[in-house]
Amino acid sequence: EVQLLESGGGLVQPGGSLRLSCAASGFSFSNYAMTWFRRAPGKGLEWVSVISGTDGSTYYADSVKGRFTISRDDSKNTLYLQMNSLRDEDTAIYCCAKSNLGGSSSGFDSWGQGTLVTVSS
Amino acid sequence: DIQLTQSPSFLSASVGDRVTITCRASQGISSFLAWYQQKPGKAPKLLIYAASTLQRGVPSRFSGSGSGTEFTLTISSLQPEDFATYFCQQLNSYPLTFGGGTKVEIK
Repeated sequence: EVQLLESGGGLVQPGGSLRLSCAASGFSFSNYAMTWFRRAPGKGLEWVSVISGTDGSTYYADSVKGRFTISRDDSKNTLYLQMNSLRDEDTAIYCCAKSNLGGSSSGFDSWGQGTLVTVSS
Repeated sequence: DIQLTQSPSFLSASVGDRVTITCRASQGISSFLAWYQQKPGKAPKLLIYAASTLQRGVPSRFSGSGSGTEFTLTISSLQPEDFATYFCQQLNSYPLTFGGGTKVEIK
């Protein structure tokens, strides 16, 4: 059974940093693109970033580009999201998701429950 | 960015009804569209990918169609467990974007 477990969320002041982790199990982690999504209070799902399972290529939403860094450690079956220069508008539940068929063009078939990030002074 | 306009945003239906939800893309996305079901407090569940391919384990009453800019999700005979929110997602280009969602409630 595929399991994705996020951790690392919490309360941080504007301008601060956090690193989120997503521990994966139940599938061959290195073969799949992995993605971070977020849902801010009262808003819809927003795609944040993706990292390929083949060549490690990465893509980011404009809203986080230059501030967030996605990475993966295939030896630990873990996905990361380093978040720097956090803003109030980054407050959200952050979820990781596994690509359905390896790449990111066939949807996401497994999602974690999420970790809450609150940016506030 | 590619905008996805989903309609209706809300619909009220009865068990056994045929339900159709539409998703329109602001530009052509070939068949790079997925549909999800989400229930309160739960993670999204992938129903359809590549516009019309049924994800394994999903009941055959769900179907998807379309390409380019117009897509539909159809539930042929609504079941009690189908009352949920449905949303589309385009996977043609980054940033990946979502439709606004359709909440399906019991009439």
